[in-house]
Amino acid sequence: AQSVTQPDIHITVSEGASLELRCNYSYGATPYLFWYVQSPGQGLQLLLKYFSGDTLVQGIKGFEAEFKRSQSSFNLRKPSVHWSDAAEYFCAVGARGSQGNLIFGKGTKLSVKP
Amino acid sequence: DAGVTQSPTHLIKTRGQQVTLRCSPKSGHDTVSWYQQALGQGPQFIFQYYEEEERQRGNFPDRFSGHQFPNYSSELNVNALLLGDSALYLCASSSSRRPASGANVLTFGAGSRLTVL
Repeated sequence: AQSVTQPDIHITVSEGASLELRCNYSYGATPYLFWYVQSPGQGLQLLLKYFSGDTLVQGIKGFEAEFKRSQSSFNLRKPSVHWSDAAEYFCAVGARGSQGNLIFGKGTKLSVKP
Repeated sequence: DAGVTQSPTHLIKTRGQQVTLRCSPKSGHDTVSWYQQALGQGPQFIFQYYEEEERQRGNFPDRFSGHQFPNYSSELNVNALLLGDSALYLCASSSSRRPASGANVLTFGAGSRLTVL
């Protein structure tokens, strides 16, 4: 079955520290991969996406993610976290050719300590 | 340029009632997808509308139905509400025109929070 696993429900990091959020997927073929961020009371904002090519992708707000096919992973990283990064982060996968049907993980809530 | 707009933002219903949620897609988008996000969960795909027809459907019962209008806006209807239907309902729009990058990206609205008592 197709699925996305975000093993960390809640992560707390200090402001200025580095961050890595984990995402593993189970899919029949190489999917499209996405990271979205959701702030309280807000919808989902796209941080970055992987369709093909370079496996290290850059996104907005200083985030990057690396696609590792052998590990079925697409981990999100940021070298220095800001207090405004506190939010919930969702990893999602979608089939090539199917633009609307994304499978999301359960999310990782990020708290930032001053 | 307005993004995806959804209405109402919040609503409360009782079990057995019916609800209609509305979505206006981002300018230039012609495809609308609906997602249900229960508390503490990731969004789950309900269905997608394109050219006024349901094109894809997730694992949701027939109580969930939708409609797309000629101006690309969309409605989500839920009949015979259950307590478990309480959730944030997200609308996402996209364009059917495929870009050079190979795929289109969903733009999400802020959602309609439904509480069923």
